[in-house]
Amino acid sequence: SAVISQKPSRDICQRGTSLTIQCQVDSQVTMMFWYRQQPGQSLTLIATANQGSEATYESGFVIDKFPISRPNLTFSTLTVSNMSPEDSSIYLCSVGPLAGGNEQFFGPGTRLTVL
Amino acid sequence: GIQVEQSPPDLILQEGANSTLRCNFSDSVNNLQWFHQNPWGQLINLFYIPSGTKQNGRLSATTVATERYSLLYISSSQTTDSGVYFCAVVTRGSTLGRLYFGRGTQLTVWP
Repeated sequence: SAVISQKPSRDICQRGTSLTIQCQVDSQVTMMFWYRQQPGQSLTLIATANQGSEATYESGFVIDKFPISRPNLTFSTLTVSNMSPEDSSIYLCSVGPLAGGNEQFFGPGTRLTVL
Repeated sequence: GIQVEQSPPDLILQEGANSTLRCNFSDSVNNLQWFHQNPWGQLINLFYIPSGTKQNGRLSATTVATERYSLLYISSSQTTDSGVYFCAVVTRGSTLGRLYFGRGTQLTVWP
C-alpha cells in the first residue's frame, strides 16, 4: 500500500477566496487523481494529475477553477479558485496503481466549507 | 461511461446481523474495489477483487466478472461497521486507470 497525506485536513473559507490542497505520497507513483465528494453524494473525478504536463480534466471541470500541479512523482496540489458555497465538499487525492498491483489508495481527504 | 449501481441504498441492522451488499456494472472491468467510508470521510480499502472470492475477517467479497456483479458480505455486524460502502471499477482497456464509483450503501448498525 502507500501512505498518503493531505493538507489541510479541513478548512472554512470565505466565498471568493482560493484554497490550495496538498497531497503527498511516501513513494513514487505514476498516477495521481483528484476527486470531489459533495455532501451526501458519491465521488466524482475532477482530473488526473500528470507529472510534467497539464492535468487531464473531466467534463464539467476546468483548469481556471481547479488548477492542478504535479511537480514530481510524489506530490500534487489542487487549488479551488474563487470559491462559492457550492464548492463545499470533501476533496480526496488517490494514487495507483502501485508496483505489483492495480489497487488504488486514497488520502484522508480535505473537508472544505465555504461560507 | 460505465454505469455502477449499488443496492440497497440504505441498510439498517441490529448488531450481530449479517448483510449482503450488491454492485452491478455495465461493462467489462479490470479493477473492482470495495471501500468503507468512515464518519470522518476517510475511504478505507476493503477489497481489490476484479474476479473471484476473498475473505478478511468478518468481511468477504465475490465478483462474478462474466455476469458483471460483485457482492460484499458482512457477518456478525458491529456498530463500527456503520458508514457508507462504495464499489468502484476501472473499465477494461482504460489507459488512465480512473475509478468509477457507485452511489454507495449507507449502513447503520444499532447496538
